[in-house]
Amino acid sequence: NAGVTQTPKFQVLKTGQSMTLQCAQDMNHNSMYWYRQDPGMGLRLIYYSASEGTTDKGEVPNGYNVSRLNKREFSLRLESAAPSQTSVYFCASSEGGQGPSGANVLTFGAGSRLTVL
Amino acid sequence: LAKTTQPISMDSYEGQEVNITCSHNNIATNDYITWYQQFPSQGPRFIIQGYKTKVTNEVASLFIPADRKSSTLSLPRVSLSDTAVYYCLVPPGSAGNKLTFGGGTRVLVKP
Repeated sequence: NAGVTQTPKFQVLKTGQSMTLQCAQDMNHNSMYWYRQDPGMGLRLIYYSASEGTTDKGEVPNGYNVSRLNKREFSLRLESAAPSQTSVYFCASSEGGQGPSGANVLTFGAGSRLTVL
Repeated sequence: LAKTTQPISMDSYEGQEVNITCSHNNIATNDYITWYQQFPSQGPRFIIQGYKTKVTNEVASLFIPADRKSSTLSLPRVSLSDTAVYYCLVPPGSAGNKLTFGGGTRVLVKP
């Protein structure tokens, strides 16, 4: 049971390059999320998808785009990378809705460490 | 929005009990409180969830008073391996699935 799988695990980019971070979950979860975590800091929400076919901005969406490709997959794209986007990126998923095992029981991936030079 | 507030850091010693309190004054009636543990270089891991009173599992206990405006995560008899950052998470009420974390509490367990 893989849970949430993120690729790549590590990536180094030059300023201005583009790339896509991939995320897939095998738990049949409805909701998916992208967070970034800078060194020594907490988690900040970039974008989320409450259900297949919907995406919404989080706290720090500038410089990113997302695609909810299907129920399993949620990708994060950096169109023109900047050094300020150097961070660890975490994808997470949840069943959604309310109540136990609902909206805020998140399963996280292992993270993708991105360095922009 | 149900914003959360936690202490930034706590130090403890092996074998002691650690209690971390999270304030969430605007929690909605139907929302559950969840707690996560994050080790360095890893993604956060769900450890416990509660709605009211007390919940206990093999990792921790969660105490929630009747007004539900706060919750306390209790780690019994901590070991060095419990050194981590602990986050509480409360759904954002009317903001639906926009799940934002607070800064978390950095717990350092000393020998």
